Amino acid sequence: KAGVTQTPRYLIKTRGQQVTLSCSPISGHRSVSWYQQTPGQGLQFLFEYFSETQRNKGNFPGRFSGRQFSNSRSEMNVSTLELGDSALYLCASSWLGDSSYEQYFGPGTRLTVT
Amino acid sequence: AQSVTQLGSHVSVSEGALVLLRCNYSSSVPPYLFWYVQYPNQGLQLLLKYTTGATLVKGINGFEAEFKKSETSFHLTKPSAHMSDAAEYFCAVSPLTGGGNKLTFGTGTQLKVEL
Repeated sequence: KAGVTQTPRYLIKTRGQQVTLSCSPISGHRSVSWYQQTPGQGLQFLFEYFSETQRNKGNFPGRFSGRQFSNSRSEMNVSTLELGDSALYLCASSWLGDSSYEQYFGPGTRLTVT
Repeated sequence: AQSVTQLGSHVSVSEGALVLLRCNYSSSVPPYLFWYVQYPNQGLQLLLKYTTGATLVKGINGFEAEFKKSETSFHLTKPSAHMSDAAEYFCAVSPLTGGGNKLTFGTGTQLKVEL
């Protein structure tokens, strides 16, 4: 069974631009969560989608948004990029929207904002 | 709000020695508890989890952790370290209800294994 895939793996953007990251969950998984990982703030929860609905949202500004499609694939968008948005963005998928089930993480997208 | 504290951002052990990585959580109700490992340039891999039942949880690669409610702890151990265990380890919590799949992570512990 294929794992969680994230595209692109690496991305360089300029301050003020916007970016879209993609996550394809494991087949059959309906929940997709996104996390930001930085050396200073560690791993922080961005949001979770379950059956195309945002179910949880972390403490991030409105510049961070996401969506989930009917095939469970998810995208996250960051508008008006700031230098501080440079991070590894991880997505995780799970069969159900219950944290007792294992979440499988993708390899991440490394975003660098210059 | 739930939180996780990992004591020691860096831990160094000799190959073959005991590995002990500490994790304490703060929650009004015991949450679900997890340990993840991250190798360089990779995502996170679940080592083990505690949801309900037996408080001693065995995971992959010879790791285990014990949930101690009285101490609000979930320390990770491995009897004998191997060079391949060198990685960053994260403790995480999730609420039993209402939190969906939201994980709150600790700051991580970098494990170094020396010959």
